[in-house]
Amino acid sequence: DAGVIQSPRHEVTEMGQEVTLRCKPISGHDYLFWYRQTMMRGLELLIYFNNNVPIDDSGMPEDRFSAKMPNASFSTLKIQPSEPRDSAVYFCASTRGLAVSDTQYFGPGTRLTVL
Amino acid sequence: GNSVTQMEGPVTLSEEAFLTINCTYTATGYPSLFWYVQYPGEGLQLLLKATKADDKGSNKGFEATYRKETTSFHLEKGSVQVSDSAVYFCALSGGGKLIFGQGTELSVKP
Repeated sequence: DAGVIQSPRHEVTEMGQEVTLRCKPISGHDYLFWYRQTMMRGLELLIYFNNNVPIDDSGMPEDRFSAKMPNASFSTLKIQPSEPRDSAVYFCASTRGLAVSDTQYFGPGTRLTVL
Repeated sequence: GNSVTQMEGPVTLSEEAFLTINCTYTATGYPSLFWYVQYPGEGLQLLLKATKADDKGSNKGFEATYRKETTSFHLEKGSVQVSDSAVYFCALSGGGKLIFGQGTELSVKP
């Protein structure tokens, strides 16, 4: 299995621009998570989906952030407009279920820099 | 609410030294506990887990025991290698969501 795939690996953009991060979960995994990692706040859960439906978006920082999962093999996290404080590493993770025996598998992350 | 506290890093050790990274948690109920490892430039990988009190998780020479009485899940390894240099995250599972500690950077020198 290829694992969780994220693109791009690095993104540099200017303040005010729209940014779209992409994720392909592991086939057969019903849950998909988006996390943000910063030095100040550590790893934060932004949103997660079950069977393509958003279940909990309480971690999404503000309306500039939106996430979609149009099908079981693709999800996007969009920031519009982007701000310098959005600079972080964004991880996508997927898992088969929420039982204790189920492991979350993480992608390599997208390092976002907003100038 | 649920939270995880880890010892601050960076931790610098010589090869073959003994490693302990402290982790304590606050949670309602009986969460599962995890250690994840993040190598430079990569995503997080599950290192080990424990699902109930007194369980010991182990993998690649690392161990951690779920201590309910002290609400702790300290990570240990008897003899570290240079290849163990990474950031280690303690986490708990609450309602299906993972809550992570701040991470502890480990640097092992030859």
